[in-house]
Amino acid sequence: AQTVTQSQPEMSVQEAETVTLSCTYDTSESDYYLFWYKQPPSRQMILVIRQEAYKQQNATENRFSVNFQKAAKSFSLKISDSQLGDAAMYFCAYRTGNQFYFGTGTSLTVIP
Amino acid sequence: GAVVSQHPSWVICKSGTSVKIECRSLDFQATTMFWYRQFPKQSLMLMATSNEGSKATYEQGVEKDKFLINHASLTLSTLTVTSAHPEDSSFYICSARQPLSLGELFFGEGSRLTVL
Repeated sequence: AQTVTQSQPEMSVQEAETVTLSCTYDTSESDYYLFWYKQPPSRQMILVIRQEAYKQQNATENRFSVNFQKAAKSFSLKISDSQLGDAAMYFCAYRTGNQFYFGTGTSLTVIP
Repeated sequence: GAVVSQHPSWVICKSGTSVKIECRSLDFQATTMFWYRQFPKQSLMLMATSNEGSKATYEQGVEKDKFLINHASLTLSTLTVTSAHPEDSSFYICSARQPLSLGELFFGEGSRLTVL
């Protein structure tokens, strides 16, 4: 069975600093996608970044980057130069075929 | 990115009544949509997969007769909570995957249901 684990229920970061959110997953599949979603207080889920499993290069989107370790089944999200608007719940997600699996989320607080 | 719109954003109803929530893909056709339920400070729980032109696929433990899903067109799926009770109060979120996309889900704004 596929599972996604986020071991950090809550994290905090000082504004302008860097924070890393952890995510591990369990799968026997070789072809899959990984995502990080952000859910701000407005509650709408927003895609932050995606990673295709067949790609060795880590995905980057502006201040957001991932550290994808396929063998270790690890997919962490690094937020650089944190901003107040980054405060939200962050969900790691795994997709294979038409099935999506979400982690339990990490609540990120950004301290001014 | 693709746009998924959900309506209403919030609804309050009396116990025993039915409530319909709409999910529309505004700029793409979605043969499949997903309905999630989210409790406070928890993750998304997949309720069902809505398939255009056919019956929805429900996850284990989700009552088909309680949560009616209809996917009548390629851009619209509806979730009807029938005979709602206070324990049905929750945040309901729909999502869709754009065909031929890189695989991510696009989410609606969510609907907050409160049953009195």
